Amino acid sequence: NAGVMQNPRHLVRRRGQEARLRCSPMKGHSHVYWYRQLPEEGLKFMVYLQKENIIDESGMPKERFSAEFPKEGPSILRIQQVVRGDSAAYFCASSPGTGLSTDTQYFGPGTRLTVL
Amino acid sequence: AQSVAQPEDQVNVAEGNPLTVKCTYSVSGNPYLFWYVQYPNRGLQFLLKYITGDNLVKGSYGFEAEFNKSQTSFHLKKPSALVSDSALYFCAVRPTAAGNKLTFGGGTRVLVKP
Repeated sequence: NAGVMQNPRHLVRRRGQEARLRCSPMKGHSHVYWYRQLPEEGLKFMVYLQKENIIDESGMPKERFSAEFPKEGPSILRIQQVVRGDSAAYFCASSPGTGLSTDTQYFGPGTRLTVL
Repeated sequence: AQSVAQPEDQVNVAEGNPLTVKCTYSVSGNPYLFWYVQYPNRGLQFLLKYITGDNLVKGSYGFEAEFNKSQTSFHLKKPSALVSDSALYFCAVRPTAAGNKLTFGGGTRVLVKP
């Protein structure tokens, strides 16, 4: 059973470009979470999605950031007009379809975004 | 709002000695508590969680954690540390009645010396 898949693992963008980060949840999981980790810091929640629905986006910056989890295909975290402060590791996690808060979230390997 | 504190940035321990990584939390109501480990340039690996029941929770790789409600703590322990346990450890909390997002502590780096 494959774990959470994220690609690309490393992404380099110049200021002003767009970054698209992809996450495929574990098989059988229909809940996806995105977290951001700045260097030497803990993870900060960004957004929680189910298929075709954003459940909680309280951690998302108000501008330039968006997320989706379509009926088919991976979840996408999109960052428009990237700035140097967006440089971080972005982790995706998934949990089973029960949606219970007792569910364990399983994390992918992360995408390390570097903005030049 | 919930919060998690890991008071030690780094813990050094000799191989074979007991390892303790401290975690305290603040949350309204009852918490669900989690420990994850992160190896360099890798994602987080789940170690264990406390939901309800026995305060002593056993997890992967010989780790265990004790939930102490009166002290609002959830310290991670391992009786005999291995060099391969050297990594970054994160404690996380999720309130039982406030959605599914995890709130993480700042992390504790563990260095186990041979």
